[in-house]
Amino acid sequence: DGGITQSPKYLFRKEGQNVTLSCEQNLNHDAMYWYRQDPGQGLRLIYYSQIVNDFQKGDIAEGYSVSREKKESFPLTVTSAQKNPTAFYLCATCGTAFSNQPQHFGDGTRLSIL
Amino acid sequence: SQKIEQNSEALNIQEGKTATLTCNYTNYSPAYLQWYRQDPGRGPVFLLLIRENEKEKRKERLKVTFDTTLKQSLFHITASQPADSATYLCALLGTGGFKTIFGAGTRLFVKA
Repeated sequence: DGGITQSPKYLFRKEGQNVTLSCEQNLNHDAMYWYRQDPGQGLRLIYYSQIVNDFQKGDIAEGYSVSREKKESFPLTVTSAQKNPTAFYLCATCGTAFSNQPQHFGDGTRLSIL
Repeated sequence: SQKIEQNSEALNIQEGKTATLTCNYTNYSPAYLQWYRQDPGRGPVFLLLIRENEKEKRKERLKVTFDTTLKQSLFHITASQPADSATYLCALLGTGGFKTIFGAGTRLFVKA
């Protein structure tokens, strides 16, 4: 099946720890995005990538890092510098970045603090 | 700054009625507007796209209107069913490489 796989579904972070969220796609899409979803707020863009080996900061990139070494994969690392990491994290893809094509989303990773 | 507003209060309606959800925006001139459905613990799923020069778009029981003068989109679900219960997000898209802006969504409950 074509789609986007995010793992793990639930993740717990200890103080001072970096954690990495996985996002894998087999839709052959060029563009990939990471969003953060908090209750009562719209999706906020963390990082995006329009093509392999290239990525750009979104609106709330501080405390996060990404890589795009393969077209299929766009992992997000939540570093210890992110002081309020508890949220629902969504990965999305699109055939072409910022076009009118719909975004396809994974089923998210819920990150909590231990 | 750009702002997109959806009714934060949940909408409760009876099965068979028409549900109408509102999306208002300010300080933005979107070329496109999208609607997504999100179930609890899941990612959003695309439903419909409407362009700025289109007044109305339909897909099965769904209808979307787009009024660029009022800066508003209405999303209608006719003959609503309990399976339509979910959160519905609107999203604005510009042209020329502008990012997508998502609303916080409106929760819809359809009672049998």
